Amino acid sequence: AQKVTQAQTEISVVEKEDVTLDCVYETRDTTYYLFWYKQPPSGELVFLIRRNSFDEQNEISGRYSWNFQKSTSSFNFTITASQVVDSAVYFCALSPGGDSSYKLIFGSGTRLLVRP
Amino acid sequence: DGGITQSPKYLFRKEGQNVTLSCEQNLNHDAMYWYRQDPGQGLRLIYYSQIVNDFQKGDIAEGYSVSREKKESFPLTVTSAQKNPTAFYLCASRNDREAFFGQGTRLTVV
Repeated sequence: AQKVTQAQTEISVVEKEDVTLDCVYETRDTTYYLFWYKQPPSGELVFLIRRNSFDEQNEISGRYSWNFQKSTSSFNFTITASQVVDSAVYFCALSPGGDSSYKLIFGSGTRLLVRP
Repeated sequence: DGGITQSPKYLFRKEGQNVTLSCEQNLNHDAMYWYRQDPGQGLRLIYYSQIVNDFQKGDIAEGYSVSREKKESFPLTVTSAQKNPTAFYLCASRNDREAFFGQGTRLTVV
């Protein structure tokens, strides 16, 4: 079965705090892709990162960083020094690599509220 | 600008009516998708299409229909058979690296 679990339904932090959003996935494929998307109140999903299953290097982009661990099937997302503009719903998604349809399987999302 | 355009942004439907949501892309992507999002929920796949004149059911296709007559266009019809159509609908297209999403259509049954 292919599945993505985001156990944190909602997180509230005060501005400048660091926050980590958890993502656990299930797949039997050896090749797959993982994504994070941000959904601001406007509704459109904004692409943040794509990672393939063969690349376990952590990635940092400004205040954003991602920790991919195949051993625990996790792809966690950390925002350092959070800002009010980071308030949004964040989705983790899985794309089975053996599936040429490029389907994206989404988690249920984590709503992040950053308070001033 | 390249991207995906969904229209209308808000749509109201009377019970028993069919309505069609528009999705157009100029990214030259072969694959296109329709997702449904309910409040507090993730995105569930309704239909997807990998090439023109071909499409496949997703996880919640009942009560919906699609067509793919042109590469750029993937309209979704919400039929009267869909018992609970009030939701936010997102269209996406994809290349091998990432999926691009439209701004969504919020459908309400009145």
